[in-house]
Amino acid sequence: NAGVTQTPKFQVLKTGQSMTLQCAQDMNHEYMSWYRQDPGMGLRLIHYSVGAGITDQGEVPNGYNVSRSTTEDFPLRLLSAAPSQTSVYFCATHSFGVFFDEQYFGPGTRLTVT
Amino acid sequence: AQKITQTQPGMFVQEKEAVTLDCTYDTSDPSYGLFWYKQPSSGEMIFLIYQGSYDQQNATEGRYSLNFQKARKSANLVISASQLGDSAMYFCAMREGGNNRLAFGKGNQVVVIP
Repeated sequence: NAGVTQTPKFQVLKTGQSMTLQCAQDMNHEYMSWYRQDPGMGLRLIHYSVGAGITDQGEVPNGYNVSRSTTEDFPLRLLSAAPSQTSVYFCATHSFGVFFDEQYFGPGTRLTVT
Repeated sequence: AQKITQTQPGMFVQEKEAVTLDCTYDTSDPSYGLFWYKQPSSGEMIFLIYQGSYDQQNATEGRYSLNFQKARKSANLVISASQLGDSAMYFCAMREGGNNRLAFGKGNQVVVIP
């Protein structure tokens, strides 16, 4: 099992460009989420999904879109990249309703916007 | 309002000594879970230990233990017999029963010195 995979690992964008960060999981988890990590800020929730076709906003959703058409995939879209979106992005999953289940993280995508 | 507070500055710990990382939390939900994650310099998020709000005993996992003081709303991580490989950033996180989302603190940096 691959667990949670993220692509790409590194990306450099110019201001105004768009891109999609990919996240895939093979654990059949209902719950998937995207976080961003900035120095001194911990991890902040961007968007999350409790199942295919259901998404909702987290703490810092502005500038990002998500969709969930399958259980396995949860892409994060940056429509018009800004330097403030320079960050490390983590995708995470866990079983919905299993309260004690740990959240499984992907390896992260390091994004730089110039 | 910040739900998870980790305020210690970076810590230097002598190898083989114990270290305690402080975490306080804020919730009015009687059902919640507390997690600790380790993030080494390579960047991945590694799950360490979990404590449920209804658990009567403090959680332990190998060299990691959680000092859970419910009335004080604190969930301190204790690492016994520190090793060089324990040098990392450590994050405390909470999931409330009502929403299933994981909220993170800002982290504690630990450096183990030989």
